[in-house]
Amino acid sequence: GAGVSQSPRYKVAKRGQDVALRCDPISGHVSLFWYQQALGQGPEFLTYFQNEAQLDKSGLPSDRFFAERPEGSVSTLKIQRTQQEDSAVYLCASSLGASGGGVNTGELFFGEGSRLTVL
Amino acid sequence: AQSVTQPDIHITVSEGASLELRCNYSYGATPYLFWYVQSPGQGLQLLLKYFSGDTLVQGIKGFEAEFKRSQSSFNLRKPSVHWSDAAEYFCAVGALDSNYQLIWGAGTKLIIKP
Repeated sequence: GAGVSQSPRYKVAKRGQDVALRCDPISGHVSLFWYQQALGQGPEFLTYFQNEAQLDKSGLPSDRFFAERPEGSVSTLKIQRTQQEDSAVYLCASSLGASGGGVNTGELFFGEGSRLTVL
Repeated sequence: AQSVTQPDIHITVSEGASLELRCNYSYGATPYLFWYVQSPGQGLQLLLKYFSGDTLVQGIKGFEAEFKRSQSSFNLRKPSVHWSDAAEYFCAVGALDSNYQLIWGAGTKLIIKP
């Protein structure tokens, strides 16, 4: 597609429900990132994929968070047994190049985000 | 600790006036610096980046930023703002010998007075 697409744009979940957030990156982009953005804050890194390999998941806040990118394109971020503190905007970004050992000098292209509200 | 500080939560300027948004960082390695803009209902968009070389970098939409190592700053400027510049602006820092985990500031919301 022309840009990074995320769905759903808005999700309201009851505490304890599982949610799945989808990211469709720009076609051909090798790198895919998930960020969490709380209200009034900047994005915080969650996890990084290079193609289908999840190279870094150090930012995932708990084992309730799980991300996958099985075919190296679309990615899903799953949150199990949601808690109120999970309420945030979840941002997906992709970039053309790989981000092996250094800063990806390519531009990050962000989706519009999925706003999760946990009641 | 590594951090990015954007001291101004909100800034209000008149249309046509000049703009400077502040960004200070604390980083142990050589910093690679970025400014992104987030317009309402849209994703973050890269305005400009600094990796090396000339410390004054030009970006899109008429923005520029200057890297000052001695002050650990990377302030964003525009000579004359337009109403369409109203948005939230984020400064971020990364490092070549680290990885792609950019550290982001909390953002500055720019409000334009007509």
